[in-house]
Amino acid sequence: AQRVTQPEKLLSVFKGAPVELKCNYSYSGSPELFWYVQYSRQRLQLLLRHISRESIKGFTADLNKGETSFHLKKPFAQEEDSAMYYCALGQNTGTASKLTFGTGTRLQVTL
Amino acid sequence: DSGVTQTPKHLITATGQRVTLRCSPRSGDLSVYWYQQSLDQGLQFLIQYYNGEERAKGNILERFSAQQFPDLHSELNLSSLELGDSALYFCASSPRLIINTGELFFGEGSRLTVL
Repeated sequence: AQRVTQPEKLLSVFKGAPVELKCNYSYSGSPELFWYVQYSRQRLQLLLRHISRESIKGFTADLNKGETSFHLKKPFAQEEDSAMYYCALGQNTGTASKLTFGTGTRLQVTL
Repeated sequence: DSGVTQTPKHLITATGQRVTLRCSPRSGDLSVYWYQQSLDQGLQFLIQYYNGEERAKGNILERFSAQQFPDLHSELNLSSLELGDSALYFCASSPRLIINTGELFFGEGSRLTVL
């Protein structure tokens, strides 16, 4: 069965420090992975997707199939990055679709 | 606001009762998803509807049921409520059946408290 693991509930870093939010997955098929973010008083929203290989708000994430990981990284944390981050695994069967989410990591950026 | 709308935002009820949570998807979105978020747990997938038809089921209890109506809004019915059903229930929508791009648009959630 598919599973997404985010081992850290809380990650606290200083402004300007590097950030790495960990995500590991378990899936027998070809994985589609995403990071979602929820800022304070805002809705959960898509941050980035592995297939796009994009950098959003300075964040990047590389899919490592050997280690079954999809860690989210940013070289220099900003205060506005403080939020709840969820890693998600997509499953498409052709007639249905769903995202399996991890338990989330709260990123706290302090001065 | 043409985003996903969920009502009610908050609901307090007693064990054994039945409640209905409502979701209006974004304009034009045909697919609706329901997720449950309990304390210390991630978002647990409950069910997916596409254009009125059930398409995928997750860990949804038999006491729970859902449907999507012709106008595409969806309702999640929770019956014989137990304390453990207290959670934040999210609805999300997407334009298509398959989440190729992974983008679900979420509502603000309905917080259910069972006393």
